[in-house]
Amino acid sequence: GAGVSQSPSNKVTEKGKDVELRCDPISGHTALYWYRQSLGQGLEFLIYFQGNSAPDKSGLPSDRFSAERTGGSVSTLTIQRTQQEDSAVYLCASSLGMTGGGGYTFGSGTRLTVV
Amino acid sequence: DQQVKQNSPSLSVQEGRISILNCDYTNSMFDYFLWYKKYPAEGPTFLISISSIKDKNEDGRFTVFLNKSAKHLSLHIVPSQPGDSAVYFCAASAGDSWGKLQFGAGTQVVVTP
Repeated sequence: GAGVSQSPSNKVTEKGKDVELRCDPISGHTALYWYRQSLGQGLEFLIYFQGNSAPDKSGLPSDRFSAERTGGSVSTLTIQRTQQEDSAVYLCASSLGMTGGGGYTFGSGTRLTVV
Repeated sequence: DQQVKQNSPSLSVQEGRISILNCDYTNSMFDYFLWYKKYPAEGPTFLISISSIKDKNEDGRFTVFLNKSAKHLSLHIVPSQPGDSAVYFCAASAGDSWGKLQFGAGTQVVVTP
């Protein structure tokens, strides 16, 4: 597609439920990133995938968070047993290789609200 | 710990005047710095960047200045336009961690006619 597509755009879930957030990167982009923005905060790095290399998961806040990227394209971020502190906007970005950030294209994000 | 700090949550400036946004960082390993602009309900878009080997980079109305000794960078917008009203994020990365940007909390800029 023309841009990075994220779905759903909004998600309200009950505490303790699992959620899946989806990201469709720009076709041909080999690198994919997940960030999140909590209220009043900057963007917080979660995980990135680069080609066939093992993903850098160092930003995932707990073992309730996981992500996968199938076929080098679509990525799913899964949060198990959601907590209220997981409420945030989850942003996905993609780029042609590791460009240092300037070449990132971000999606519009998924606003997750845990009630 | 917050390695990139934007201490001004908001800035109001008149159309035509200069907007100056400031950013401080603590990690001396950062060697690449970026500014992103974000409109409501949209993802951030890349604005301008600077490598640590430079102290200034200019792109049209936007100029970024880097003071490595002070661990400080700033973004100048001249002249400011109403369409510049947005949240501006400062970000930084270290050479061995290209994919991991550290972001500041953002500065909301409002340009008034």
